[in-house]
Amino acid sequence: EAGVVQSPRYKIIEKKQPVAFWCNPISGHNTLYWYRQNLGQGPELLIRYENEEAVDDSQLPKDRFSAERLKGVDSTLKIQPAELGDSAVYLCASSKDRVYYEQYFGPGTRLTVT
Amino acid sequence: EDKVVQSPLSLVVHEGDTVTLNCSYEVTNFRSLLWYKQEKKAPTFLFMLTSSGIEKKSGRLSSILDKKELFSILNITATQTGDSAVYLCAVGNSYGGSQGNLIFGKGTKLSVKP
Repeated sequence: EAGVVQSPRYKIIEKKQPVAFWCNPISGHNTLYWYRQNLGQGPELLIRYENEEAVDDSQLPKDRFSAERLKGVDSTLKIQPAELGDSAVYLCASSKDRVYYEQYFGPGTRLTVT
Repeated sequence: EDKVVQSPLSLVVHEGDTVTLNCSYEVTNFRSLLWYKQEKKAPTFLFMLTSSGIEKKSGRLSSILDKKELFSILNITATQTGDSAVYLCAVGNSYGGSQGNLIFGKGTKLSVKP
């Protein structure tokens, strides 16, 4: 079974530039999560999707971050414009069910904003 | 505020040693506690503990959950250099719209020397 796929693996941009991350979850997993992980910290949830619906985006900085999961499968997370403080690893995870099943993580995208 | 605290933050041992990693939590409406191993980027799932499964074992790794005292431990026996990683503890709640969301600790960085 293929795992969670993310791209790109690394991204270096200048501040004020836009950037987008892509995630394809494990087949059959209805729930998709985007996390941000700063150095020395655990992952922090940005947004959770149930199929194509964003059911929890309370931690997403909506002034510059946006996300979509149009067909309930793959998802894109965008930052525009990026700030220096956005440098982090952005992780995507998926699970069969948000309550009863564990989450599986993708390899993440390391974003560096200069 | 919900929180998960792991200790120690870092640990250095020699091959063959046994280690115990700690995770304490304060979470409203506890649902589950999960352990992940993070070597490079993606956290990989180890165990999920719930009210119906408070002890898990897989090879040299084992974990228990004490719901009364609100903590969990992860034991690794006969450590190997391949066990070197950051071990993350996460707790999921069972309340409302955030049901199933995970709150992560900062992790314990384990280094196993030959």
